[in-house]
Amino acid sequence: GAGVSQSPSNKVTEKGKDVELRCDPISGHTALYWYRQSLGQGLEFLIYFQGNSAPDKSGLPSDRFSAERTGGSVSTLTIQRTQQEDSAVYLCASTQPGGPHEQFFGPGTRLTVL
Amino acid sequence: DAKTTQPPSMDCAEGRAANLPCNHSTISGNEYVYWYRQIHSQGPQYIIHGLKNNETNEMASLIITEDRKSSTLILPHATLRDTAVYYCIVRVAPRYNFNKFYFGSGTKLNVKP
Repeated sequence: GAGVSQSPSNKVTEKGKDVELRCDPISGHTALYWYRQSLGQGLEFLIYFQGNSAPDKSGLPSDRFSAERTGGSVSTLTIQRTQQEDSAVYLCASTQPGGPHEQFFGPGTRLTVL
Repeated sequence: DAKTTQPPSMDCAEGRAANLPCNHSTISGNEYVYWYRQIHSQGPQYIIHGLKNNETNEMASLIITEDRKSSTLILPHATLRDTAVYYCIVRVAPRYNFNKFYFGSGTKLNVKP
């Protein structure tokens, strides 16, 4: 596609429910990143994929958060037993091979936990 | 990664140059300076990066002082569409195609007609 896409664009859920957020990176981009942005704050790194493996999961805030990537393309971020503090915009970015300087970001998924 | 300091907000008249400062006094020799911006309700967008020399592309110019302790992003002719939060990031040279950015609070640039 022309850019990084994410779905859904908005998700409202009840506390305790599980949610899945999807990211479709730019075709051919081998590296994929997930970030989180709380209201009025800067971005917080969550996890990085190189191909289907995740060498750096250091930013995942708790074991309720997990992510996977299949076929070196689509990635899913799963949040189990959501809490109100999980409410944020979740952003995905990808980079082309040999091009780590420029990350291409998607529009984000706005998650609201009631 | 070295810490960066940016003013929280700046105003600029449409059509004039916008000069956004960034202080990174603890930068080390292998750290790059990156600039990204985030327009309201969108994901961040890459603008430019540099190591030692000044850089220019179709979007902006990056001026890095000789001692590398500060830099300035210049938008030569600001338009209303340039209203955004601008992030200055200092990051070590990327390894294995991996670059984990730390986005701080940035500078909110308000371009006014």
